[in-house]
Amino acid sequence: AQSVTQLGSHVSVSEGALVLLRCNYSSSVPPYLFWYVQYPNQGLQLLLKYTSAATLVKGINGFEAEFKKSETSFHLTKPSAHMSDAAEYFCAVSDRANFGNEKLTFGTGTRLTIIP
Amino acid sequence: EAGVTQSPTHLIKTRGQQATLRCSPISGHTSVYWYQQALGLGLQFLLWYDEGEERNRGNFPPRFSGRQFPNYSSELNVNALELEDSALYLCASSKIIPGQGRGNEQFFGPGTRLTVL
Repeated sequence: AQSVTQLGSHVSVSEGALVLLRCNYSSSVPPYLFWYVQYPNQGLQLLLKYTSAATLVKGINGFEAEFKKSETSFHLTKPSAHMSDAAEYFCAVSDRANFGNEKLTFGTGTRLTIIP
Repeated sequence: EAGVTQSPTHLIKTRGQQATLRCSPISGHTSVYWYQQALGLGLQFLLWYDEGEERNRGNFPPRFSGRQFPNYSSELNVNALELEDSALYLCASSKIIPGQGRGNEQFFGPGTRLTVL
């Protein structure tokens, strides 16, 4: 069964500093991978997704992620944190090998705090 | 383009009652997914409907059920409510493109917060 692990339930960075949120996946075949963001009392918004094209994926709001098969990782980065980036971030996986299994399996989330 | 909408925003019920949650997908999307986000349990997949049929189900008891209507909107019903059913219920929709069925982006609604007293 596929799964994702997000290292660090809480991450704090200073405004202007690098943001790095970690995600490792477990899957028998390279999966589809997603990063979603959730602001307080809101639903999820897609930041970016990997579907086997370029391994470096650029998303919205200056975020990007790199798919590394050898490390089974899909870490999310942003060069310079803004106060508006404070939110909860979820890594998710969709199993391309299991036809019809369209569900997303989410990590436990990482709450990002930006320090002024 | 209107996004995924859910109603009601908040729902308060007591133990043993039934709750009905509603979701309208983005126009043109045929698939609807339901997820439960409970405190301490993260986001858990509940149900997936496509073209009116239940396609997949998560590890939830049968008292969690739903349906998809001809206009692709969906209902989630939770019978015999228990305290631990208190959670944010998120609906998502996507468009399944033939030949590109997997990996399609799911668009999420704002959720319905269900509180069971």
